[in-house]
Amino acid sequence: GAVVSQHPSRVICKSGTSVKIECRSLDFQATTMFWYRQFPKQSLMLMATSNEGSKATYEQGVEKDKFLINHASLTLSTLTVTSAHPEDSSFYICSASLTGTTNYGYTFGSGTRLTVV
Amino acid sequence: AQSVTQLGSHVSVSEGALVLLRCNYSSSVPPYLFWYVQYPNQGLQLLLKYTTGATLVKGINGFEAEFKKSETSFHLTKPSAHMSDAAEYFCAVSDTNAGKSTFGDGTTLTVKP
Repeated sequence: GAVVSQHPSRVICKSGTSVKIECRSLDFQATTMFWYRQFPKQSLMLMATSNEGSKATYEQGVEKDKFLINHASLTLSTLTVTSAHPEDSSFYICSASLTGTTNYGYTFGSGTRLTVV
Repeated sequence: AQSVTQLGSHVSVSEGALVLLRCNYSSSVPPYLFWYVQYPNQGLQLLLKYTTGATLVKGINGFEAEFKKSETSFHLTKPSAHMSDAAEYFCAVSDTNAGKSTFGDGTTLTVKP
């Protein structure tokens, strides 16, 4: 149980276009989701926290107009990278809080490898 | 404020040998501690977690970790390494059981045949 499905797993886009990444909780309601970015051989850096029905809370230094987060339902959060540039190429991972379930902690999506050319 | 330090960015062991991955944390409140494993181009999989109670925590795949408050440590161990254990391991701390997590820089475990 407590599975998060993240799509797409890989995406290549042209510079200047926008890309949407979806994160769905399959068998539980995710009130809170987290979006991370991971550069090669590095740790996860929290980008933002999204709560269902409210605006996301962005970490310092993360451009909210560039990384649009929507959490309109208890089972879906999306991250849209707008006007993508090569420096946005990275591995993006979502995570859902398990608050309200019988478990504790978090469950992670399988990640999205974004390459901007 | 909270932070995590993973000592040793790379650890190499022989198959069958003891695995020890070190994690020290800093937290202003009682911490919730986690160990995750990540295989290439995949998300994170929870190995084990400490919330409250017993300080020796057993996880999946034969891993365990011990919470030592006096040493602010949460080291991960496995008695006998398997080739399939080769991966990236992350220690993380949170101030609640589902709030924001802070991750360590990760430790790459290599298992030699």
